[in-house]
Amino acid sequence: GIQVEQSPPDLILQEGANSTLRCNFSDSVNNLQWFHQNPWGQLINLFYIPSGTKQNGRLSATTVATERYSLLYISSSQTTDSGVYFCAVEQGAGNKLTFGGGTRVLVKP
Amino acid sequence: DAGVIQSPRHEVTEMGQEVTLRCKPISGHDYLFWYRQTMMRGLELLIYFNNNVPIDDSGMPEDRFSAKMPNASFSTLKIQPSEPRDSAVYFCASSGITEAFFGQGTRLTVV
Repeated sequence: GIQVEQSPPDLILQEGANSTLRCNFSDSVNNLQWFHQNPWGQLINLFYIPSGTKQNGRLSATTVATERYSLLYISSSQTTDSGVYFCAVEQGAGNKLTFGGGTRVLVKP
Repeated sequence: DAGVIQSPRHEVTEMGQEVTLRCKPISGHDYLFWYRQTMMRGLELLIYFNNNVPIDDSGMPEDRFSAKMPNASFSTLKIQPSEPRDSAVYFCASSGITEAFFGQGTRLTVV
């Protein structure tokens, strides 16, 4: 099956810093989503981004499907950005997602 | 819409007991998914339904696990008998033709 790798596995930031998270996938995909799992365990939708670039406040994402990677940018990080960020991809029919291992982010005040 | 609703939020049970997890998907979504999250294996798909029909159950770990979707607004995941290694967070998700949305999960502890 498809492999989804995220890097780095862990990231410690000082509040206000910027960062880039990466998601590589081993085969072509139909769709890609980014999620934030907050400290309470809830999976929050960030972006649905099969290709191109999207922005939502301090967060933005870019997917280059032909090169099989996606990037998530966090600007001016805040302590509430702490948690685990997951990339998930969907192949073929069915909308089923394969998740990467996540990037654990800790933003220190 | 209130989003995907799962119950219970937490479940503690003794080994050997039957456990039933419940899910109400977002109205109008055609797909429903059950995922499991553990430290060792991350987030993995167990089974998914399309229009209430099970499409792929290859992720169901053992025959002890079963899932049903009797109608478009309700699904259950049952474990019988439960074992300590089933302890995990179980997520239900639903989607239409685009992005999937997840419920808050059920944290299952089998002692």
